[in-house]
Amino acid sequence: DAKTTQPNSMESNEEEPVHLPCNHSTISGTDYIHWYRQLPSQGPEYVIHGLTSNVNNRMASLAIAEDRKSSTLILHRATLRDAAVYYCILRNFGNEKLTFGTGTRLTIIP
Amino acid sequence: DVKVTQSSRYLVKRTGEKVFLECVQDMDHENMFWYRQDPGLGLRLIYFSYDVKMKEKGDIPEGYSVSREKKERFSLILESASTNQTSMYLCASSSRSSLKDEQYFGPGTRLTVT
Repeated sequence: DAKTTQPNSMESNEEEPVHLPCNHSTISGTDYIHWYRQLPSQGPEYVIHGLTSNVNNRMASLAIAEDRKSSTLILHRATLRDAAVYYCILRNFGNEKLTFGTGTRLTIIP
Repeated sequence: DVKVTQSSRYLVKRTGEKVFLECVQDMDHENMFWYRQDPGLGLRLIYFSYDVKMKEKGDIPEGYSVSREKKERFSLILESASTNQTSMYLCASSSRSSLKDEQYFGPGTRLTVT
């Protein structure tokens, strides 16, 4: 599986936008970019995924670079409940498995 | 509301004991997964199953086995627990036919082997 690189930790102020980066320079043409997050004492939960175009849902937006070698998860207005570890994962089409890295621990400052 | 449940939140077992971790999902999903999570190592896949009685090894299957006799239930078995199997164990499920393509996770079982 192609590898992703994320910062170990980030901080952001409450009610401000947060941009979480992910590098995946060895991504293949059939790799989807998935984001999950894990709130304290819970299992991971799906956030968003995309292939080439930017994607929006009620939780977040995903901005994918034109060459697909990097992506950014955008939380438009962070709340304290968004404090979590965020995982960027590449998943090949047809592969049911996810390979988690160590993610980015996001701290929200009130 | 979709749900993945795990039999225990916390479990303490002795070295050498046989341990069963149970996972049940109510979403009629074909795929089920067992991960373990350790500090600094993230989540690692132990085994997964894409159908009843089918199983495939993940990245770290040594010391574990699994059983899937019914679609909704996926069991992880530690035949002879060892202290290095002390960890958080997470179960997940997913549908092969879902456009959203997401895995749903249970709350986890924190296993301590003494």
